[in-house]
Amino acid sequence: QKEVEQNSGPLSVPEGAIASLNCTYSDRVSQSFFWYRQYSGKSPELIMSIYSNGDKEDGRFTAQLNKASQYVSLLIRDSQPSDSATYLCAVKTGFGNEKLTFGTGTRLTIIP
Amino acid sequence: GAVVSQHPSWVICKSGTSVKIECRSLDFQATTMFWYRQFPKQSLMLMATSNEGSKATYEQGVEKDKFLINHASLTLSTLTVTSAHPEDSSFYICSARDPQYTDTQYFGPGTRLTVL
Repeated sequence: QKEVEQNSGPLSVPEGAIASLNCTYSDRVSQSFFWYRQYSGKSPELIMSIYSNGDKEDGRFTAQLNKASQYVSLLIRDSQPSDSATYLCAVKTGFGNEKLTFGTGTRLTIIP
Repeated sequence: GAVVSQHPSWVICKSGTSVKIECRSLDFQATTMFWYRQFPKQSLMLMATSNEGSKATYEQGVEKDKFLINHASLTLSTLTVTSAHPEDSSFYICSARDPQYTDTQYFGPGTRLTVL
């Protein structure tokens, strides 16, 4: 079983709609969760981090965490063509472990 | 967010030569840096964790004698690919952890290595 799982997509969303990206993880003691955006040929760029159950909002982005269900999601409101990218979910597992485990990423395409 | 730079951004070398890639944290001190490799259409694979002043910790399957890591200062880590071969051609990306922001890793722009 993969430690961090994402739907690889591609996920196509009309411009202006809400894009919903999902991620599940296997290690129950995971503490920190991150969403990165990666444009083709570029390195990942941090969008949001979340540590506690519930929602965290930053502009058009909302991260949602449910530790009981081992599930973290990212919502993008008012999707723009510039949001078209691969979105990587990353999880830091355990105490004293600084490594991040990445999912395979979900490719998102916003259709004008 | 914190800024991490990498140099060079791309490099082409002949098979059998060695290539050094630098990773710098520009506006913070990074006691820990990470080196990743990414093949086309695949996710990031952690190669090693680099700690300032000590030996790097390599992930399973990564040859430490082939991928030499030196973290000589709080702002600089280097990755040297020794005796490079075409199968080493990849996108190498470093990241650094900003202690002010606990677990957050900030990525450099990456280095695209092509071995002929």
